[in-house]
Amino acid sequence: GAVVSQHPSRVICKSGTSVKIECRSLDFQATTMFWYRQFPKKSLMLMATSNEGSKATYEQGVEKDKFLINHASLTLSTLTVTSAHPEDSSFYICSARGLAGEGPKFFGPGTRLTVL
Amino acid sequence: GDSVTQMEGPVTLSEEAFLTINCTYTATGYPSLFWYVQYPGEGLQLLLKATKADDKGSNKGFEATYRKETTSFHLEKGSVQVSDSAVYFCALTKTSYDKVIFGPGTSLSVIP
Repeated sequence: GAVVSQHPSRVICKSGTSVKIECRSLDFQATTMFWYRQFPKKSLMLMATSNEGSKATYEQGVEKDKFLINHASLTLSTLTVTSAHPEDSSFYICSARGLAGEGPKFFGPGTRLTVL
Repeated sequence: GDSVTQMEGPVTLSEEAFLTINCTYTATGYPSLFWYVQYPGEGLQLLLKATKADDKGSNKGFEATYRKETTSFHLEKGSVQVSDSAVYFCALTKTSYDKVIFGPGTSLSVIP
């Protein structure tokens, strides 16, 4: 079946640096990708929706200048956390949907970000 | 706005016990309903879904029935195993191309 991968699976960085997380659809073209954030023992919070070739749509309260999303191709979307701070430490999960998708069924394995 | 509510747990059961995780939703129209499972340290996997009223989704021994009259989608399994220990999320989408709205998740621990 369809697979979505994320890289890296874990990243530790210093405060003030930027971190890029990749989300790839491995055997289908993802016209839409969703980025979620999950706090410990909490549910997933949708951060933004990105469509290939266009600007991402951010949810209310999510800083678009801090969380840069690029969806340059039908198989790759990236989330860049700029000038990371300890409060950005979280589990980031992407989800991808293809042309015939019914709800975003395919989720990546997640990226654990720790900002020191 | 649209939302999903579920029992938060944690829920601890003995192996072979019966499992019910309650889920109710608030949404206009006719949403599709989902249960996702997240095993420790992993991402989400779709467990089952139902797209219209009275549909029953089932997978791996788990079942849930879409009840529009009670706006519910309770997850059940007749005999849980230790390997079922995970966090379970109830969720909905309004249309095929819409975002997924998740409930808070229910942590399940199954002990031998």
